[in-house]
Amino acid sequence: NAGVTQTPKFQVLKTGQSMTLQCAQDMNHNSMYWYRQDPGMGLRLIYYSASEGTTDKGEVPNGYNVSRLNKREFSLRLESAAPSQTSVYFCASRATDRGGHQPQHFGDGTRLSIL
Amino acid sequence: EDQVTQSPEALRLQEGESSSLNCSYTVSGLRGLFWYRQDPGKGPEFLFTLYSAGEEKEKERLKATLTKKESFLHITAPKPEDSATYLCAVQGAGGSNYKLTFGKGTLLTVNP
Repeated sequence: NAGVTQTPKFQVLKTGQSMTLQCAQDMNHNSMYWYRQDPGMGLRLIYYSASEGTTDKGEVPNGYNVSRLNKREFSLRLESAAPSQTSVYFCASRATDRGGHQPQHFGDGTRLSIL
Repeated sequence: EDQVTQSPEALRLQEGESSSLNCSYTVSGLRGLFWYRQDPGKGPEFLFTLYSAGEEKEKERLKATLTKKESFLHITAPKPEDSATYLCAVQGAGGSNYKLTFGKGTLLTVNP
């Protein structure tokens, strides 16, 4: 079972460069999420997409943009990378239910270094 | 604003030495409390969902319990392969139905 697939797994950028992190899920989930994980900070939500065609800001959206390309794919773009964006980025997806009880399922992350 | 605090930050056990991890939370109407396991270099792996106070769930050597203010992850007779970071997250009824608030995790090390 593939689940949530993230590409690339590792990336090194120079300050000011741009790049797009890709995420795809094969579980037919409606909701998708982008998080960053930094030492001592825990997982922080960057953007999320409750359903195809919608996106919303999370806790730390500055410096990022997202695109929900279709139901399967949700990409995260850094337009002008900054050293503060050095982090591990996780994508997650979740089946929608009225009670909000369904867990989020995570990919294995993209490790991004900005020099 | 939902808040999650996990303790201790790190825990070192000998193989077979049982213990508990704590997750204290503040949330406006709990929809669910989630426990995840995260291995180095991997994404969080879902373990349990708890919905209401008094609920318990078990999986192998792990048992999760829930009260109105906190959850415990009990580890019975742990093995070295249980070494990981354990994350707790809550989803509240206030605000969006879609967002989780995570704690910073407990790093568990089990020595043989």
